[in-house]
Amino acid sequence: KQEVTQIPAALSVPEGENLVLNCSFTDSAIYNLQWFRQDPGKGLTSLLLIQSSQREQTSGRLNASLDKSSGRSTLYIAASQPGDSATYLCAVRSRGKGTSYGKLTFGQGTILTVHP
Amino acid sequence: ETGVTQTPRHLVMGMTNKKSLKCEQHLGHNAMYWYKQSAKKPLELMFVYNFKEQTENNSVPSRFSPECPNSSHLFLHLHTLQPEDSALYLCASSQDLTGGSWRHNTDTQYFGPGTRLTVL
Repeated sequence: KQEVTQIPAALSVPEGENLVLNCSFTDSAIYNLQWFRQDPGKGLTSLLLIQSSQREQTSGRLNASLDKSSGRSTLYIAASQPGDSATYLCAVRSRGKGTSYGKLTFGQGTILTVHP
Repeated sequence: ETGVTQTPRHLVMGMTNKKSLKCEQHLGHNAMYWYKQSAKKPLELMFVYNFKEQTENNSVPSRFSPECPNSSHLFLHLHTLQPEDSALYLCASSQDLTGGSWRHNTDTQYFGPGTRLTVL
């Protein structure tokens, strides 16, 4: 069964800092990995999707990397802003035959606060 | 806005009530999903519908009953719930390019804003 862990659980930084969020998963047999953002009381917004054959994806100030063999991904946020404050979720879509097959398995998220 | 809407946004119900959650997607997708997000647990998949057919029930208790009358609408009917069922219920949709084999579908899922359910 796939398990996803995110570290740290919470992070508070001053505006302008570069920061890294970490995600690890137990089964490297994946189709892809996604990073989502969730604002309080709202649904999820997809930020970046990395296919298993890719090493990284970039969108604006966000850069996500994937090391499938070690079961790790990082989300790098450059020059953080107060508007970046949200919960960031990592999810993997498993391709290994088991109870997680084909499903998105989510981590518990990192709560990010960027203060002015 | 992601193109997926959910109503109501908040719901408080007693354990003997019957209520329904509604999800509608305006993206032309053919796969829809129900997820549960509890306070202390990661987001978890409940049901999957491909082309209006239920293709996954992730060991969900029968007090939750999904319905998908067409590819744009998804309902979750609730009855005799327990306080531990209080959670945020999220709907998602995606375009299934695999012809029904949703487990192989790697397309992005688009999520609605969720319904915050409180069971008293």
